[in-house]
Amino acid sequence: DAKTTQPNSMESNEEEPVHLPCNHSTISGTDYIHWYRQLPSQGPEYVIHGLTSNVNNRMASLAIAEDRKSSTLILHRATLRDAAVYYCILRGNAGGTSYGKLTFGQGTILTVHP
Amino acid sequence: NAGVTQTPKFQVLKTGQSMTLQCAQDMNHNSMYWYRQDPGMGLRLIYYSASEGTTDKGEVPNGYNVSRLNKREFSLRLESAAPSQTSVYFCASSVRGSYSNQPQHFGDGTRLSIL
Repeated sequence: DAKTTQPNSMESNEEEPVHLPCNHSTISGTDYIHWYRQLPSQGPEYVIHGLTSNVNNRMASLAIAEDRKSSTLILHRATLRDAAVYYCILRGNAGGTSYGKLTFGQGTILTVHP
Repeated sequence: NAGVTQTPKFQVLKTGQSMTLQCAQDMNHNSMYWYRQDPGMGLRLIYYSASEGTTDKGEVPNGYNVSRLNKREFSLRLESAAPSQTSVYFCASSVRGSYSNQPQHFGDGTRLSIL
């Protein structure tokens, strides 16, 4: 799987929008962009994924650059419960020993202030 | 809405003891995974099961064995625990691992300390 680059940390105020960036300049044409988050003392939680078009779900929006070399996870109104580590992960065609494996980097630690 | 259930949530072992971590999913998923997470490191894949009846090694399989008991259950066994296996263990499942557009669903983890 190709590598992603995220800022180590970001801060936000409650009820404000948060834009979490991710760079993936070596993305291949078949790689999906996945976002997960991990709240303290919990397992990773799927947030959203996309291929080329922007995506929305009840948790967040995913904006994908036209060249697909970067993407942004958008939390429209941050709450204290959104404080977590956010991981941007590329998923390509699986095979061999990496069958379906998710490669977690260091992610972005999001702090939300009341 | 159970999703992926792991037991136990916490465990303390002595070096050389054995134990089995249990994982069950109720989403009718074909693929299941065991990861470990250590401080300052991302999750690392220990073993996976692409479908019922198959298991394969991941990145860090040494010291572990797994059993895909049925479609729902995937257990991880430490035969002779070592302090280096102190970690948080996560089980995950997905519809089918080869589908790169399918998410993985994780349990809340088992926190294992080996003295």
